[in-house]
Amino acid sequence: DSGVTQTPKHLITATGQRVTLRCSPRSGDLSVYWYQQSLDQGLQFLIQYYNGEERAKGNILERFSAQQFPDLHSELNLSSLELGDSALYFCASSPTAFSGSGTDTQYFGPGTRLTVL
Amino acid sequence: GDSVTQMEGPVTLSEEAFLTINCTYTATGYPSLFWYVQYPGEGLQLLLKATKADDKGSNKGFEATYRKETTSFHLEKGSVQVSDSAVYFCALSDRGNQFYFGTGTSLTVIP
Repeated sequence: DSGVTQTPKHLITATGQRVTLRCSPRSGDLSVYWYQQSLDQGLQFLIQYYNGEERAKGNILERFSAQQFPDLHSELNLSSLELGDSALYFCASSPTAFSGSGTDTQYFGPGTRLTVL
Repeated sequence: GDSVTQMEGPVTLSEEAFLTINCTYTATGYPSLFWYVQYPGEGLQLLLKATKADDKGSNKGFEATYRKETTSFHLEKGSVQVSDSAVYFCALSDRGNQFYFGTGTSLTVIP
């Protein structure tokens, strides 16, 4: 158990709808990262928040947005959903803003499986 | 742009066989390199990392050496076990917290 929790575990919805995925980081971790894992695109970095502020941005679509709240949990909002958005969405957390340098580690949650019908 | 290319799978080995999963990278600067493992139904876990050229990361019998001259970070284990069956991801970070993952290599170890 990494200490990172994600809800819900599974989500089934229809095209055009909007969903919110939630992530609670490990206790004490200030950074939250969101990733999308799909069969055809592999694992893609979407966005990072550090202590409430956006820190790094990857291949995140304009239809997607995220935020980190004062209690450090984060939400990923996906709107105008398309069939191609069906994927596993992972959240990860790390203690500092600098896990990219290898000085600390990202801890991954179990993921939310989104199915768009 | 930065990217990671790793060996296509799936890979099937007998217990106690030698494992190599190839990973090469393209990066403009001096990235950190990582191997992550994903067991069925779980999130990714960091297996090992290396932050500069010639560094060797090691954990649980797995090793990988950061080779700048060949832009590679191949994962090796001398004797695999059934419990090593998982998907392995090579990744790099450009130190700006942008992470790039390979497509993953599925390993199945049979008794």
